[in-house]
Amino acid sequence: GNSVTQMEGPVTLSEEAFLTINCTYTATGYPSLFWYVQYPGEGLQLLLKATKADDKGSNKGFEATYRKETTSFHLEKGSVQVSDSAVYFCAPSGGGSQGNLIFGKGTKLSVKP
Amino acid sequence: DTAVSQTPKYLVTQMGNDKSIKCEQNLGHDTMYWYKQDSKKFLKIMFSYNNKELIINETVPNRFSPKSPDKAHLNLHINSLELGDSAVYFCASSRGIDLTDTQYFGPGTRLTVL
Repeated sequence: GNSVTQMEGPVTLSEEAFLTINCTYTATGYPSLFWYVQYPGEGLQLLLKATKADDKGSNKGFEATYRKETTSFHLEKGSVQVSDSAVYFCAPSGGGSQGNLIFGKGTKLSVKP
Repeated sequence: DTAVSQTPKYLVTQMGNDKSIKCEQNLGHDTMYWYKQDSKKFLKIMFSYNNKELIINETVPNRFSPKSPDKAHLNLHINSLELGDSAVYFCASSRGIDLTDTQYFGPGTRLTVL
């Protein structure tokens, strides 16, 4: 089945710093790729997604590009804010026809003022 | 209106008890899921239903039994609770099983087994 490797955390940055969280996947076929975010004490929310090679997903200043040649979907933001502090999960779709997600281990981001 | 809701939000119980967690979605979705998040934040799929039919049943002890009375509801019943069942359980739904479909998550149920 599909699998994902995500950059280990925690990551601590100062406000306005540049953020990269690496994510690589292995997959049969052509998965869709998702980034979800979990704010403290809450459920997961979709941050962005890309459904085919070279697509770029973007939302709230975050971006990630579906790179089929390197099987990667790295998350970037040019200038983080304190409110971005959360756990970020990379998730390719699970493969087959079942639509489930395979989650990475999550990367905890803390942004200091 | 909450799109995906779960009850209860917190559940504290003794080992050996039987408990249920309920999930409802008002998005008109056909597919619902249960995920388990352990203490290290690792999330793993447990079950998935599509149009009330079980389509994913991962390696989960048979003490866990999902039930989908209709497309808007997916409940999780757990028999003979064990310490290792302590986790946060998330319900999710999606329009269908297409690989591009976004999943919408509930707020989670934190289960603590004493």
